[in-house]
Amino acid sequence: EVQLLESGGGLVQPGGSLRLSCAASGFTFITYAMSWVRRAPGKGLEWVSTAGGTTYYADSVKGRFTISRDSSRNTLYLQMNSLRAEDTAVYYCAKGGDNLSYFDFWGQGTLVTVSS
Amino acid sequence: EIVLMQSPGTLSLSPGERATLSCRASQHISGSYLAWYQQKPGQAPRLLIYGASSRATGTPDRFSGSGSGTDFTLTISRLEPEDFAVYYCQQYNGSSWTFGQGTKVEIK
Repeated sequence: EVQLLESGGGLVQPGGSLRLSCAASGFTFITYAMSWVRRAPGKGLEWVSTAGGTTYYADSVKGRFTISRDSSRNTLYLQMNSLRAEDTAVYYCAKGGDNLSYFDFWGQGTLVTVSS
Repeated sequence: EIVLMQSPGTLSLSPGERATLSCRASQHISGSYLAWYQQKPGQAPRLLIYGASSRATGTPDRFSGSGSGTDFTLTISRLEPEDFAVYYCQQYNGSSWTFGQGTKVEIK
């Protein structure tokens, strides 16, 4: 059974940093692309970043967020720097499907609140 | 960036009725790289449809996806009580992924 468990969310001041983690199990981690998707309060889903053979970022986070993965720990990370109020959201870890085009399993999410 | 516009914003229907949700893209989506997700309050999104028309494992057959190019549709043939939720379409263009703004299906 595929399981994705996010951690690392919390309250941080504007301009601060936070690192999210996603522990994966139930599949061969190295084989699949992994992504972060967020949902801000009262808004829809927004793709943030994907790590496969290459890393990809949404324009809204490029230069501030860094995605990485540790295959020895089956863990995905998102280092978030220079955080802004508009980064406040629930951040979901998602596993890529058999091609890169969709996300077939999701974690329950971790809440990041950027506020002074 | 490809923008996805979903309509309507809210769909008010009764259990047993048919729901038709639309997703229109600002540019052609190649390879039918179009997926649909369901999200209920307090829960993670759930993949329903990928490749525009392929049902994900566990998706009931009352859900069907269709379309190509720039126009896509998710149809729920007969609404069950557990189907009232928000639905998102999502596309992939080779280097970025985008979601539509969502359609809320609510009980009339």
